[in-house]
Amino acid sequence: DGGITQSPKYLFRKEGQNVTLSCEQNLNHDAMYWYRQDPGQGLRLIYYSQIVNDFQKGDIAEGYSVSREKKESFPLTVTSAQKNPTAFYLCASSNFPVSYEQYFGPGTRLTVT
Amino acid sequence: AQSVTQLDSQVPVFEEAPVELRCNYSSSVSVYLFWYVQYPNQGLQLLLKYLSGSTLVKGINGFEAEFNKSQTSFHLRKPSVHISDTAEYFCAVSGVNNYGQNFVFGPGTRLSVLP
Repeated sequence: DGGITQSPKYLFRKEGQNVTLSCEQNLNHDAMYWYRQDPGQGLRLIYYSQIVNDFQKGDIAEGYSVSREKKESFPLTVTSAQKNPTAFYLCASSNFPVSYEQYFGPGTRLTVT
Repeated sequence: AQSVTQLDSQVPVFEEAPVELRCNYSSSVSVYLFWYVQYPNQGLQLLLKYLSGSTLVKGINGFEAEFNKSQTSFHLRKPSVHISDTAEYFCAVSGVNNYGQNFVFGPGTRLSVLP
């Protein structure tokens, strides 16, 4: 089955620690995205990448970092500089410019205490 | 810049009743429009999309949406809802910017189907 996997589903960390969220896709999509979702709120774009070895900051990139060394992988690191990291994190990909819809992974819920 | 408005943050409706979830967008260029559904603690699932052609778009789970260019709207409808339709629904618009694809989501509408 083709799709997007995110691991783990739930992640717990102590304040001050960096943590990396995994996102892998086997859809052969060039474009990948990271979103943050807080309770009762919509999606806010953290970073996106349209091609390997290139990525751009989204609306709320401060305190986060990414890499895109392989087409199928787009890991997100939540650093200790992120003031309020507890949230639900969603990874997505699209086959832009062939098609425009985004496909989403199941999400990772990060809790930092 | 593109933006999406979903006027209703919450919509309660009784089972088997019809429902309409409203979405308005703003854009200075041609756009592509989408509706996604999110069940608790899950990712978003594509319900339907409008790219071009017929303004009435049919999607999964019996949902449909109508693109109205003059009113810049893309409202989602279902003639008879089920308890299982209880979820968060997001309208989204996509276009192209200097870097590549631009994708903007609305704030979401929580649909609660009551027995």
